[in-house]
Amino acid sequence: GAGVSQSPSNKVTEKGKDVELRCDPISGHTALYWYRQRLGQGLEFLIYFQGNSAPDKSGLPSDRFSAERTGESVSTLTIQRTQQEDSAVYLCASSLTDRTYSNQPQHFGDGTRLSIL
Amino acid sequence: DQQVKQNSPSLSVQEGRISILNCDYTNSMFDYFLWYKKYPAEGPTFLISISSIKDKNEDGRFTVFLNKSAKHLSLHIVPSQPGDSAVYFCAARDSNYQLIWGAGTKLIIKP
Repeated sequence: GAGVSQSPSNKVTEKGKDVELRCDPISGHTALYWYRQRLGQGLEFLIYFQGNSAPDKSGLPSDRFSAERTGESVSTLTIQRTQQEDSAVYLCASSLTDRTYSNQPQHFGDGTRLSIL
Repeated sequence: DQQVKQNSPSLSVQEGRISILNCDYTNSMFDYFLWYKKYPAEGPTFLISISSIKDKNEDGRFTVFLNKSAKHLSLHIVPSQPGDSAVYFCAARDSNYQLIWGAGTKLIIKP
């Protein structure tokens, strides 16, 4: 399909382990976003990539969280030494142009449901 | 503190009637507002948006109203259909171009 693809769809891991989540954006989309959604809450911004510009990391909750993106392709979100409060759905979105353009909505993947035991 | 609030966790509406989903915000600097729809186990999908310079935007069965003085946004769906049953999120764009999201309202359309 031509949509945003995320993997894995579900991940269960033990507290203290590292996890890596993957996002394949829509081809040609220069902007990529990561969000976290805790149960019963709205989406919480984590990080934004735009082309080769420096990413906006202002939403990352701690230094255990990091993300990479190679050019305008795949992105990975890494959580080190996971804690139980990291349990959430992690959503990735992409858009055609940078976020200053309001007429380019974000297209979301189906998310990765992360459960920390 | 929540800058975007959707005070109704759920709403039940008869098929064919109007559904009205509400959203309140606190930051007068928000310049753009969006509604997204989300089915279980899927990502949100964009529905409709409105710029802060407008007070109404319509797209088929969906209309968004913005009352800036009241810092209030609403989404009207008419007529409501069974496929409209989903969680609806309101989001607002801040001065850093980040989207601030509400917690969502679960809409149930009864046949």
